[in-house]
Amino acid sequence: AQSVTQPDIHITVSEGASLELRCNYSYGATPYLFWYVQSPGQGLQLLLKYFSGDTLVQGIKGFEAEFKRSQSSFNLRKPSVHWSDAAEYFCAVGASNTDKLIFGTGTRLQVFP
Amino acid sequence: GAVVSQHPSWVICKSGTSVKIECRSLDFQATTMFWYRQFPKQSLMLMATSNEGSKATYEQGVEKDKFLINHASLTLSTLTVTSAHPEDSSFYICSADDRAKGYTFGSGTRLTVV
Repeated sequence: AQSVTQPDIHITVSEGASLELRCNYSYGATPYLFWYVQSPGQGLQLLLKYFSGDTLVQGIKGFEAEFKRSQSSFNLRKPSVHWSDAAEYFCAVGASNTDKLIFGTGTRLQVFP
Repeated sequence: GAVVSQHPSWVICKSGTSVKIECRSLDFQATTMFWYRQFPKQSLMLMATSNEGSKATYEQGVEKDKFLINHASLTLSTLTVTSAHPEDSSFYICSADDRAKGYTFGSGTRLTVV
């Protein structure tokens, strides 16, 4: 069965610094991969997704993610973090034979001025 | 883009009563919707898959008699928490659309049972 691991529970960065949030997945075939962001008390907003093709995916709000099959990873990056990026970030994996999404445990991002 | 509206955004109810949460796809038809539960500072746990015109598919460990799901139209799915108890207090989120577009989530419902 597929699973998702986000090793970092909490990350703190200074505004303007670069960011990388880690995501590792477990799945036998090529997975469908997603990154979502959640502000407190809100639903989830899709940042980007990967299905196939170019392994570097561009998303909204200046985020990008790179799919690395050899490492079973789909890390999220942003070159310069803004204070408004403070939120909870979830990585999710889907399978080809189901519409279900499996979520990681999330990474809480805190941004200091 | 696709919009999913979830209502109410928060609700407080007495123990033993039932609460209904609505999830609507505003600008598209959703044959499948998903209901998640999220505990404070935790991830989303899929509760059930709601299928238009048929019975919902529940995940293992989810009581289908407690969490009633109805998907009577292509734009509306409802989750009813029956005989709610304090341990049912949680944040409930629905999603719809499809994998190719990336699932669209509602804004969530905070349920507090007192």
